[in-house]
Amino acid sequence: AQSVAQPEDQVNVAEGNPLTVKCTYSVSGNPYLFWYVQYPNRGLQFLLKYITGDNLVKGSYGFEAEFNKSQTSFHLKKPSALVSDSALYFCAVRDIAGRGSTLGRLYFGRGTQLTVWP
Amino acid sequence: DAGITQSPRHKVTETGTPVTLRCHQTENHRYMYWYRQDPGHGLRLIHYSYGVKDTDKGEVSDGYSVSRSKTEDFLLTLESATSSQTSVYFCAISPGTGEGSEAFFGQGTRLTVV
Repeated sequence: AQSVAQPEDQVNVAEGNPLTVKCTYSVSGNPYLFWYVQYPNRGLQFLLKYITGDNLVKGSYGFEAEFNKSQTSFHLKKPSALVSDSALYFCAVRDIAGRGSTLGRLYFGRGTQLTVWP
Repeated sequence: DAGITQSPRHKVTETGTPVTLRCHQTENHRYMYWYRQDPGHGLRLIHYSYGVKDTDKGEVSDGYSVSRSKTEDFLLTLESATSSQTSVYFCAISPGTGEGSEAFFGQGTRLTVV
């Protein structure tokens, strides 16, 4: 079964410092991995995805994520955090090994609340 | 923003009453999803659709039913609302599974069952 784990409920960093939000996954076969961000009282916004190719993926708002197959991880990173980055972040994996109706299902982690203080 | 509209945006209903939430898309995407978001649980899949009249259950489908009679609309019905169904409900759409197509989310519906 496909699954995603975000081991930290909360991450706190000072503005200007690098940030990392962790994600590990479990899939059958090669994964399609995604990061989303949710601001208060809003829907989820797509940040970036890994399909194949370079292990370092760049996305919106200066975020990037590193795919590590041996560690089954897909950590979200940013070199210099901003207060405006404070939000809830979700990692997700897509079931591409499924058959029939299970194909295309998206599985989400529980989310990590990122707080960046001035 | 992707063309997704959820209605209503807010609803308060009484225990035992049926409730229908609507998701409407203008993108002609094949896949549509209903999730609920609760503190400590993240997003949990209720039902999803992989085409007109093609739907399947997610991980928390008990007490919910769905219908998709045309590409643009995906309806979620709480057959007899309970307090445990108080939540924020999100609809999402995706064009397909090729090239890791990402999903796009609606703004959410906040449902309170009293």
